[in-house]
Amino acid sequence: DAEITQSPRHKITETGRQVTLACHQTWNHNNMFWYRQDLGHGLRLIHYSYGVQDTNKGEVSDGYSVSRSNTEDLPLTLESAASSQTSVYFCASSEGSTWATQYFGPGTRLLVL
Amino acid sequence: DQQVKQNSPSLSVQEGRISILNCDYTNSMFDYFLWYKKYPAEGPTFLISISSIKDKNEDGRFTVFLNKSAKHLSLHIVPSQPGDSAVYFCAASLNQGGKLIFGQGTELSVKP
Repeated sequence: DAEITQSPRHKITETGRQVTLACHQTWNHNNMFWYRQDLGHGLRLIHYSYGVQDTNKGEVSDGYSVSRSNTEDLPLTLESAASSQTSVYFCASSEGSTWATQYFGPGTRLLVL
Repeated sequence: DQQVKQNSPSLSVQEGRISILNCDYTNSMFDYFLWYKKYPAEGPTFLISISSIKDKNEDGRFTVFLNKSAKHLSLHIVPSQPGDSAVYFCAASLNQGGKLIFGQGTELSVKP
């Protein structure tokens, strides 16, 4: 069955370190998204991609970067982790049509000490 | 600037009764709305959606109502079951490549 996976599921890191969160989907979807979930804020869009070599900034992109070298993967990198980036991160994917439903991964819980 | 708002952080309902979850939005250009359900330690899962050309969409126990003049949508669950206990997020799309803007979420608790 097609799915979307995230790794690691839990990560503890220190302030200033570079961290990369992986997202892999086997739906063959063109669109991929990264969100963070924080209490009182719901899900906020960090970065998104509409296809290979395409990346775009979302609502809360500062301190994060992504790259899309193939259809299946969209890794999220925290260049220099900050305590404010402690959060739960979700990856999602959808087909190329405008109103397509997004399918979410299980999430990565990140703690920055 | 919260474009999609869920003003009730939590809701408690008795099993068998109706659950009504509310969502308000500010941007009249939103043209597609969705509800997602999220259990602890899992990713959100799609529940039901509605386009702006409709005012109601039903799927089994779940019905979404859209009132464009009031910029308000609601999710009705009838009858509510303990397994419905979860956080519910509403989301809106601007017809811009499938990007979604989410509300803060409402935690529903259905008591047996």
